[in-house]
Amino acid sequence: GENVEQHPSTLSVQEGDSAVIKCTYSDSASNYFPWYKQELGKRPQLIIDIRSNVGEKKDQRIAVTLNKTAKHFSLHITETQPEDSAVYFCAARDSSASKIIFGSGTRLSIRP
Amino acid sequence: DAGVIQSPRHEVTEMGQEVTLRCKPISGHNSLFWYRQTMMRGLELLIYFNNNVPIDDSGMPEDRFSAKMPNASFSTLKIQPSEPRDSAVYFCASSLGPQGISEQYFGPGTRLTVT
Repeated sequence: GENVEQHPSTLSVQEGDSAVIKCTYSDSASNYFPWYKQELGKRPQLIIDIRSNVGEKKDQRIAVTLNKTAKHFSLHITETQPEDSAVYFCAARDSSASKIIFGSGTRLSIRP
Repeated sequence: DAGVIQSPRHEVTEMGQEVTLRCKPISGHNSLFWYRQTMMRGLELLIYFNNNVPIDDSGMPEDRFSAKMPNASFSTLKIQPSEPRDSAVYFCASSLGPQGISEQYFGPGTRLTVT
């Protein structure tokens, strides 16, 4: 089955700088990669997703890149703001079991 | 739309007691998912239903856990008997289709503490 690894587990960046979170997956047939943001005490919420037929997707300050050959994908947040502080989860869809496997999460802190 | 509704929001119980968590998915969604979140194990999928039918329960930890979806608007996750290691936040989520086809919407979660 699918296995998703996420790095780093914690990340601290200066407000205004960029943050990058990286994930790798094991199932070469996986075709859907969502990213979720979970603020403290809140529920996970989808912030962006990418399918295997594209290499990059952007939504304002957030972008996701996908390298199918290397089986890794990354979340990029530019011009970080205090409200970006949260735990971010990457995920990949296990093609054989039709379910999503989550990474272990990255706690992002934005320093003022 | 009220979103996914879960109850109770917090549950404190003693070891050995039965615990029932409830979920009402978003109206019109035909897939429902139960997750468990802990610091040690992260976010784990326990079971998911499509059109009220359990599709994959491979994430259910053991026989003490059971889930039902008697109709399109209601699901329960039951733990009997409960143990301290079951303490976690349990999320219910729903979507218009199977995972990967459409966005999942999470409920607010139930924080379970077993003493």
